[in-house]
Amino acid sequence: SQQGEEDPQALSIQEGENATMNCSYKTSINNLQWYRQNSGRGLVHLILIRSNEREKHSGRLRVTLDTSKKSSSLLITASRAADTASYFCATDADSGYALNFGKGTSLLVTP
Amino acid sequence: SAVISQKPSRDICQRGTSLTIQCQVDSQVTMMFWYRQQPGQSLTLIATANQGSEATYESGFVIDKFPISRPNLTFSTLTVSNMSPEDSSIYLCSVWGGNGYTFGSGTRLTVV
Repeated sequence: SQQGEEDPQALSIQEGENATMNCSYKTSINNLQWYRQNSGRGLVHLILIRSNEREKHSGRLRVTLDTSKKSSSLLITASRAADTASYFCATDADSGYALNFGKGTSLLVTP
Repeated sequence: SAVISQKPSRDICQRGTSLTIQCQVDSQVTMMFWYRQQPGQSLTLIATANQGSEATYESGFVIDKFPISRPNLTFSTLTVSNMSPEDSSIYLCSVWGGNGYTFGSGTRLTVV
């Protein structure tokens, strides 16, 4: 069953702007991860944040996690047209367990 | 991290027929996961496949409709049986590689 919700469902920005996506979940988690999916293809793992971490960076990506609010955010800075994709958050109850996916945010970055 | 080869990448099938999707992993993994992604939707877990035991299915998915094989620690198949147009989806396999999850490239199934 799906764990949570992404917000917004769709986001349209121009190149160079920052994109922020939010994710909420319902139950206790071990890890929270963000994935990108281009045009209905396979998923690309972007970043993993553990339940005892509050913030993590990877290149132009910044992820925050607030376990008290059961929420996470993904910030993409200085967006590019190539960032156009769907973004999903996913949680697992423990390492190696199946993932519960949010509904996803569709990001459109226009030149 | 593990690398998964998933086949076929896409297929168009007649209703009432079956399609078997294969996932080959380049390393031994204990559990493999099969997901379905319906058009415009997120991923939903179908089942978890352990080597040497029956797959564990999620609510709403049954073995007769989605039989799974897991003959060894590097390979698994998912069959979509007696297909109907409602089965048109992307099907993905996934494994836990110790440091993260890896996904196959997906099988885009269209049932006509």
